[in-house]
Amino acid sequence: AQSVTQPDIHITVSEGASLELRCNYSYGATPYLFWYVQSPGQGLQLLLKYFSGDTLVQGIKGFEAEFKRSQSSFNLRKPSVHWSDAAEYFCAVGGATNKLIFGTGTLLAVQP
Amino acid sequence: DAGVIQSPRHEVTEMGQEVTLRCKPISGHNSLFWYRQTMMRGLELLIYFNNNVPIDDSGMPEDRFSAKMPNASFSTLKIQPSEPRDSAVYFCASSTQANYGYTFGSGTRLTVV
Repeated sequence: AQSVTQPDIHITVSEGASLELRCNYSYGATPYLFWYVQSPGQGLQLLLKYFSGDTLVQGIKGFEAEFKRSQSSFNLRKPSVHWSDAAEYFCAVGGATNKLIFGTGTLLAVQP
Repeated sequence: DAGVIQSPRHEVTEMGQEVTLRCKPISGHNSLFWYRQTMMRGLELLIYFNNNVPIDDSGMPEDRFSAKMPNASFSTLKIQPSEPRDSAVYFCASSTQANYGYTFGSGTRLTVV
């Protein structure tokens, strides 16, 4: 079955600290992988995506993610978190059908 | 590019009334998706269209829900009759290719009282 697991429902980090949000997927074919961010009252915004090539991908707002096929993971990272990064983050997996499966999200809080 | 446009942004209606949500996808995008987001169930895919044709409506909760895409620039999601448990944020998203990801609209917050 195709699925996405985000094991952390809620994470709190201090401003300036590093961040890693976990994402594990199950997909029968070569996956396309995405991270989205949702600020309160807003739609989801695409942060970055992976579909081939270099397994370390760079996105907007200083985020990056690394695709690890052996671990079925696509973790999101940022070296130094800003207060404006507080939001909910969603990992998603898809394929040639253009239908994405979303994880349940990780809510990030940033302490001053 | 104005992005994916949804209307209305907020809708409050009484139980039993018909509700119509509207979406204008990004020009040139050939896939359109309707999602529902609630605290309890997260993001649920309701239905999606490719080239205006419904491809997968398995997520539509029941017959009270229907969706149409009469042309490439417009789609509607209708709930008739509405019930309090339909209260949620409904998102529309569009896409051009599978590996490009989706562009989401700002959503319609529906409250059924």
